Amino acid sequence: SQTIHQWPATLVQPVGSPLSLECTVEGTSNPNLYWYRQAAGRGLQLLFYSVGIGQISSEVPQNLSASRPQDRQFILSSKKLLLSDSGFYLCAWTPGTGFNTEAFFGQGTRLTVV
Amino acid sequence: AQSVTQLDSQVPVFEEAPVELRCNYSSSVSVYLFWYVQYPNQGLQLLLKYLSGSTLVKSINGFEAEFNKSQTSFHLRKPSVHISDTAEYFCAVRPASSNTGKLIFGQGTTLQVKP
Repeated sequence: SQTIHQWPATLVQPVGSPLSLECTVEGTSNPNLYWYRQAAGRGLQLLFYSVGIGQISSEVPQNLSASRPQDRQFILSSKKLLLSDSGFYLCAWTPGTGFNTEAFFGQGTRLTVV
Repeated sequence: AQSVTQLDSQVPVFEEAPVELRCNYSSSVSVYLFWYVQYPNQGLQLLLKYLSGSTLVKSINGFEAEFNKSQTSFHLRKPSVHISDTAEYFCAVRPASSNTGKLIFGQGTTLQVKP
């Protein structure tokens, strides 16, 4: 069966520090991968998605970047965090083929920028 | 482009009472519809989905949702809620023809079940 791992679970970082959140998927090949952010009291906003290694699409302009160095690994990064980067970050995946499936989510990372 | 509106940010209800969480969407193309549930500090879990066929879909824990194309709605209902149903619920859509799987979410509805 497929599983998705996301870490760390919680993170407190000072303003201006770098960020690296990692997500890996097991049990499937060539998944589509996504990073969502959930700000306090708000819905989920898609930040990045990837349909293959090295292929990254950005949905909103921001202080963050994403990379996919391996087929089942998706990394969210920042060189210098802002207070506004605080939130709950969720990684998700869908099968690379087949349209009629739902997205599967990781457990999320709670990022607090202080 | 698609958009999703969840009309209620919070819904307080007493245990064993019925509940309806409302979801309306806007899209110029056919969509798939989803309800996800999120417990505190956890990821999202799929509750139920509509892809095609019968417009009434049901989950294993008593929730159901009905796709209404004319009203562009996908409201979530449960005839009798439990304390354990307290969570945040998200409605989401994606274009049926999309091969990227990107979801467009509503703002979420917090269901608060009181004893």
